Amino acid sequence: SQQGEEDPQALSIQEGENATMNCSYKTSINNLQWYRQNSGRGLVHLILIRSNEREKHSGRLRVTLDTSKKSSSLLITASRAADTASYFCATYAGGGSNYKLTFGKGTLLTVNP
Amino acid sequence: DGGITQSPKYLFRKEGQNVTLSCEQNLNHDAMYWYRQDPGQGLRLIYYSQIVNDFQKGDIAEGYSVSREKKESFPLTVTSAQKNPTAFYLCASSRDWATNEKLFFGSGTQLSVL
Repeated sequence: SQQGEEDPQALSIQEGENATMNCSYKTSINNLQWYRQNSGRGLVHLILIRSNEREKHSGRLRVTLDTSKKSSSLLITASRAADTASYFCATYAGGGSNYKLTFGKGTLLTVNP
Repeated sequence: DGGITQSPKYLFRKEGQNVTLSCEQNLNHDAMYWYRQDPGQGLRLIYYSQIVNDFQKGDIAEGYSVSREKKESFPLTVTSAQKNPTAFYLCASSRDWATNEKLFFGSGTQLSVL
């Protein structure tokens, strides 16, 4: 079953604009991670935010986490054509020895030059 | 050059045939994973291995088998029992299972049925 669900499914913006993607999940988590996938390639880890953190930054990326609303957002500032990719959130949750990372269906971001 | 190598990049399977996808890592990671990705979908966990000589079923293990005889290798066999094998298969590793800081992915194998 899908733990994280991204919104929107697709997003098209102009170069230089900011892109915001959201992720909602259903159960308590240990951490939430964002990954990027270029077409036909593997995923690349972008950023991890733990359940006791509210915001993290990495370069042009800003991630927020609201555990009360069970949601996270990924903001990419000053987007570039090279940012065109699918972005996935993944939640790390479970108990005992049964923790696992569960991925959402992703947001397809297109940045137009 | 550290990382995860998947081969082949493209693979074709005939009806009734078993095929094996290779995954090798030189990151000295204990944990390894196999995911399946269908078009427009997220990743679904097939099998994972926390340590050498141990592996566990994921969410969609039926029709698949794995082995973990060496730390650096985690091959996936798609058996003839898997009736809908056409998908993009991704192998990943992490430093260990307990901390699960982040996954490192290979570049994937696209499997198609002839």
